[in-house]
Amino acid sequence: GENVEQHPSTLSVQEGDSAVIKCTYSDSASNYFPWYKQELGKRPQLIIDIRSNVGEKKDQRIAVTLNKTAKHFSLHITETQPEDSAVYFCAASNTGNQFYFGTGTSLTVIP
Amino acid sequence: GAGVSQSPSNKVTEKGKDVELRCDPISGHTALYWYRQRLGQGLEFLIYFQGNSAPDKSGLPSDRFSAERTGESVSTLTIQRTQQEDSAVYLCASSEDFGRNEQFFGPGTRLTVL
Repeated sequence: GENVEQHPSTLSVQEGDSAVIKCTYSDSASNYFPWYKQELGKRPQLIIDIRSNVGEKKDQRIAVTLNKTAKHFSLHITETQPEDSAVYFCAASNTGNQFYFGTGTSLTVIP
Repeated sequence: GAGVSQSPSNKVTEKGKDVELRCDPISGHTALYWYRQRLGQGLEFLIYFQGNSAPDKSGLPSDRFSAERTGESVSTLTIQRTQQEDSAVYLCASSEDFGRNEQFFGPGTRLTVL
């Protein structure tokens, strides 16, 4: 089955700096890669996703890149703000099948 | 429309008792997932329902755990003879059919086994 690894487990950055979280996956059949943000005590919410037919996707300060050959994908947050502080989860899925989540990255943005 | 709802929001039970957790997915979503999230941990897959297909139960940790779903509607997760290690937040998520993968999560049920 699929195995998703996520690094780092914790990340602290100064407000305004960039944050990068990386994930690797093992199943070449995986074709959908979402990122979820979970604030303390709240449910995970989708912030951005990418499908295997593209290499990069941007949404304002958030971007995701995908390298299918190397089987890794990354989340990039620019100009970080204190409200970006949360746990971020990556996931991989093969359409119609279950999702495999990474173990999460706790991001702290220091004002 | 309404999002995914779960009930109860909190459940405190004694060791050895059975508990039943409920999930109402978004109307029209054929896929439904249950996850367990222990304090400070990631999302642990439990079970996945897709339409009328046989559910993927590969994540259930023991035979004390079971889940049912009636058609494409409500799902219940049952934990029998609860143990203290079952204490966690149980999250339910739903998504549309094969072509749309985005999962929408419910607020979770926080289960505490004393």
